[in-house]
Amino acid sequence: GENVEQHPSTLSVQEGDSAVIKCTYSDSASNYFPWYKQELGKRPQLIIDIRSNVGEKKDQRIAVTLNKTAKHFSLHITETQPEDSAVYFCAARKAGGGNKLTFGTGTQLKVEL
Amino acid sequence: NAGVTQTPKFQVLKTGQSMTLQCAQDMNHEYMSWYRQDPGMGLRLIHYSVGAGITDQGEVPNGYNVSRSTTEDFPLRLLSAAPSQTSVYFCASSYGTNEKLFFGSGTQLSVL
Repeated sequence: GENVEQHPSTLSVQEGDSAVIKCTYSDSASNYFPWYKQELGKRPQLIIDIRSNVGEKKDQRIAVTLNKTAKHFSLHITETQPEDSAVYFCAARKAGGGNKLTFGTGTQLKVEL
Repeated sequence: NAGVTQTPKFQVLKTGQSMTLQCAQDMNHEYMSWYRQDPGMGLRLIHYSVGAGITDQGEVPNGYNVSRSTTEDFPLRLLSAAPSQTSVYFCASSYGTNEKLFFGSGTQLSVL
């Protein structure tokens, strides 16, 4: 089955700096890659997603890039703010596999003042 | 429009007890699923349903049962709770199998 690896497990940045979280996936049939943000004690919230026919997608300070050849995708957060502090999860979904997401193990992002 | 609603928010069980975690959505979503979240392991799929009357197993189905008698509801049953089932459980739904997945607020379960 699909396997998603996520790095780093923890990331600490200064406010205003950029943060990058990287994921790799194993199944070349995967074609949908969402990113979720989870604040302490809350539900995972979808923040951005990308499909395999697109190489990059941007939404204000957040961007996701996808390299299908290398099976890599990354989340980029620019001008980080304290409210960006949370756990971020990447996930992958295979074409024709229903809506079954395989998640990475999460990255704890801390934005320090 | 309440979205995805889960009850209860917290539950403590003794080993061997049974219980049902409730999940309901009011968005007319065809697809519903259950995930468990454990520290350092991300979210793992337990069971899912692509429509009323249709269910299937995910990655970690052992010890759990589901049914989908209506489009709105997708309960998760623990027949004989074990300490290994201590976890946070999330229900999630989407309009179709190729659409964005939205999560409920979660149920924190402890099995003693």
